[in-house]
Amino acid sequence: QVQLVESGGGLVKPGGSLRLSCAASGFTFSDYYMSWIRQAPGKGLEWVSYISSSGSTIYYADSVKGRFTISRDNAKNSLYLQMNSLRAEDTAVYYCAREASSPGPIDYWGQGTLVTVSS
Amino acid sequence: SYVLTQPPSVSVAPGKTARITCGGNNIGSKSVHWYQQKPGQAPVLVIYYDSDRPSGIPERFSGSNSGNTATLTISRVEAGDEADYYCQVWDSSSDSYVVFGGGTKLTVL
Repeated sequence: QVQLVESGGGLVKPGGSLRLSCAASGFTFSDYYMSWIRQAPGKGLEWVSYISSSGSTIYYADSVKGRFTISRDNAKNSLYLQMNSLRAEDTAVYYCAREASSPGPIDYWGQGTLVTVSS
Repeated sequence: SYVLTQPPSVSVAPGKTARITCGGNNIGSKSVHWYQQKPGQAPVLVIYYDSDRPSGIPERFSGSNSGNTATLTISRVEAGDEADYYCQVWDSSSDSYVVFGGGTKLTVL
């Protein structure tokens, strides 16, 4: 069955960096577009970034552009999010998500990893 | 950027029908997807491409989309349907390609 398992979250000071990972299994990872989506405590869903199956097409939300970098390693069935210059407003649960098609719905989500930016 | 507007909350008695709206400029020209999120859990896709249901989602869940409003309808509401519901579209003309509505808290009375 499809599984997406995030890791790498934690507590970091403002201005710091963190790298999130998402291990995918149960499907042919290299066939699918992937996204990172976040949810601040008590708030709604916010799309962060998207990467095509080959990694050749990448989009970012304006709120993270220039600070976050999405990447993938299809040989390792893994998705990454490098987060630099972190701010308090980046505090959220970060979900790894599979796009059923592009453009299309998100058919699978990981359980999320919490990132807390605080001094 | 493209904006999706949802009511913050909807309340319904068990066994009745709940309708959750998602408003957007000419949203009828876009494909709308709906997600259910229960506390402490990841979202789950309940309706895609306006009105299709993934396997495992009860037939009580249905969707429609026309004009400036998309609607998620839950018939014969059960206590277990209490959750947050989010609509979502793709908007390539926007600076945010994946756009979510603000979410609607469905309360079963």
